Amino acid sequence: EVQLLESGGGLVQPGGSLRLSCVASGFTFDTSTMNWVRQAPGKGLEWVSVIDGSGRTVYAGSVEGRFTVSRDTSANTLYLQLNNLRADDTAMYYCAKDIFSGYDLGYWGQGTLVTVSS
Amino acid sequence: DIQMTQSPSSLSASVGDRVIITCRASQSVTTYLNWYQQKPGKAPKLLIYAASTLQRGVPSRFSGSGSGTDFTLTINSLQPEDFATYFCQQSYTLPTFGQGTRLDIK
Repeated sequence: EVQLLESGGGLVQPGGSLRLSCVASGFTFDTSTMNWVRQAPGKGLEWVSVIDGSGRTVYAGSVEGRFTVSRDTSANTLYLQLNNLRADDTAMYYCAKDIFSGYDLGYWGQGTLVTVSS
Repeated sequence: DIQMTQSPSSLSASVGDRVIITCRASQSVTTYLNWYQQKPGKAPKLLIYAASTLQRGVPSRFSGSGSGTDFTLTINSLQPEDFATYFCQQSYTLPTFGQGTRLDIK
């Protein structure tokens, strides 16, 4: 059974940093495409970043240069480093795994909440 | 970016009704279109991928159709557990989501 468990969220001041983690199990992590998707309170879904099985990364324009996605295949863990945080980065952050084509997100974690506020 | 527009933004329906939600893309996404259901406080759940393929375990009262720029999600014989928010998402390029359709009980 595929399981994804995020952690690392919390309250941070504008300009601060956080590192989110997503521990994966139940599938072959090192060949899988993994995404981060966020959802601001009461709002819709926004795709943030992807890392594919070869380690190639892509980012949404709104986070390019501030966020970094990475993975530790020995620990089956996905990371999202969030730097220079802004108030509009406040959201629930989900990690999600594709089912076939990279962006058909069939498996989601429960999310971790990031709040950016002074 | 490809813009995704859903309609309606909200609707009210009764148990047993048939509901249709539409999604329009700002340019063709062929059939790279997915539908998700989200309940309050929960992560989204994939219902349909590739425009019309039902994800494993999803009831057959859900169906999807369309290609190019226009897509529909149909829910036949609404059940109490179907009242939720629904999102479309294109996966033709970097993903973008519709704004969501909130389905509540009339």
